[in-house]
Amino acid sequence: SAVISQKPSRDICQRGTSLTIQCQVDSQVTMMFWYRQQPGQSLTLIATANQGSEATYESGFVIDKFPISRPNLTFSTLTVSNMSPEDSSIYLCSVESISLAGYTFGSGTRLTVV
Amino acid sequence: QKEVEQNSGPLSVPEGAIASLNCTYSDRGSQSFFWYRQYSGKSPELIMFIYSNGDKEDGRFTAQLNKASQYVSLLIRDSQPSDSATYLCVVRAGNNRKLIWGLGTSLAVNP
Repeated sequence: SAVISQKPSRDICQRGTSLTIQCQVDSQVTMMFWYRQQPGQSLTLIATANQGSEATYESGFVIDKFPISRPNLTFSTLTVSNMSPEDSSIYLCSVESISLAGYTFGSGTRLTVV
Repeated sequence: QKEVEQNSGPLSVPEGAIASLNCTYSDRGSQSFFWYRQYSGKSPELIMFIYSNGDKEDGRFTAQLNKASQYVSLLIRDSQPSDSATYLCVVRAGNNRKLIWGLGTSLAVNP
């Protein structure tokens, strides 16, 4: 399965600032997925990032708050903009395995907004 | 609203016992079913996937699917303390690549 490098692994940020999270995959993938996992909760899909087109956002998530770039088939970034303490969460990127037998996740970014 | 329901636990079993984790889903059109394990502070990792009714075995793990009852389960035989984690049931409906995640069941295996 694909190997995903995600960074930063954690950060503490001031409210009102922005943080960009990067994910690098060791193989070309069509779709990359960005998730949020709030404390004690399961995963919530933020958006699907397709190379060469606008990301598709889920209900409750907007591009102005979570802009996504997907410049090529191995890389994507998610920016958390104008952060507030409610954005404190773990952010995960994910890709579908080539065998279509599941999804692989990056190691996650633990974000704390103070 | 498509849902995946799991008992949050914690489920506590002694070492060497069988741990049984259960999950129900609401969308009858669901086609693919996954079990992920998530250790505290780590990202989820795939344990099992199952597409067809019946049992699927992989080492100490057995996934069971009953589409008529909209029920999927994971059995862990000879449970080890290292199996202590949260187990997430995940469902994918039809041709939609979108995954629906359960809230997870916390499993504690006691030495």
